[in-house]
Amino acid sequence: DIQMTQSPSSLSASVGDRVTITCRASQSISNFLNWYQQKPGRAPKSLIYSASNLQSGVPSRFSGSASGTDFTLTISSLQPEDFATYYCQQSFNTPWTFGQGTKVEIK
Amino acid sequence: QVHLVQSGAEMKKPGASVKVSCKASGYDFTNFGISWVRQAPGQGLEWMGWISAYTGITNYAENFQGRITLTTETSTTTAYMELRSLTFDDTAVYYCARRTSVTTLCMDVWGQGTTVTVSS
Repeated sequence: DIQMTQSPSSLSASVGDRVTITCRASQSISNFLNWYQQKPGRAPKSLIYSASNLQSGVPSRFSGSASGTDFTLTISSLQPEDFATYYCQQSFNTPWTFGQGTKVEIK
Repeated sequence: QVHLVQSGAEMKKPGASVKVSCKASGYDFTNFGISWVRQAPGQGLEWMGWISAYTGITNYAENFQGRITLTTETSTTTAYMELRSLTFDDTAVYYCARRTSVTTLCMDVWGQGTTVTVSS
């Protein structure tokens, strides 16, 4: 199975901060990397697919990038509604696997 | 508007089976697949498998092989996930999600989740 390693596991940030979350795959996954946002008690929400494509309706402050097996989710200016847990997920091979999640908390 | 609406919470005893439904609307059901993902209390997300709504072909995670069956009913645009021989470790929220095409391969729309509690 492909292992996805996210860092950090949690972070504290203030409204307006630039936030970066990274995800490393244990092998090449091309650009088959997706990002999801999950708020407590809610279903995950798709943010970015194929490493850098924004889902329809997702604010442009979210962006994704890739370099080899390293992937990055960036929130350019953190908003109050962005406090949540973020997961990366690879769809290169089955079983699809997720990172362990990054919890973004209010500083 | 695309929606996936799941069946209600279930409480089961160890050794029992559970069948969760996922009713799709707002899109051509057979043009997409349905994936199933679960989340144990306080834990991360775990992919269980997926089914093509067009062909019925399935792919299951090895952790669930032999215990899980995914099906679809195109006449009612509903997908089902059956999990057998339940243990306490199967207590989780179970989600269905629409699986997009082979060029993008993500889960773009999710159901609201179904809580399954295994308790004696």
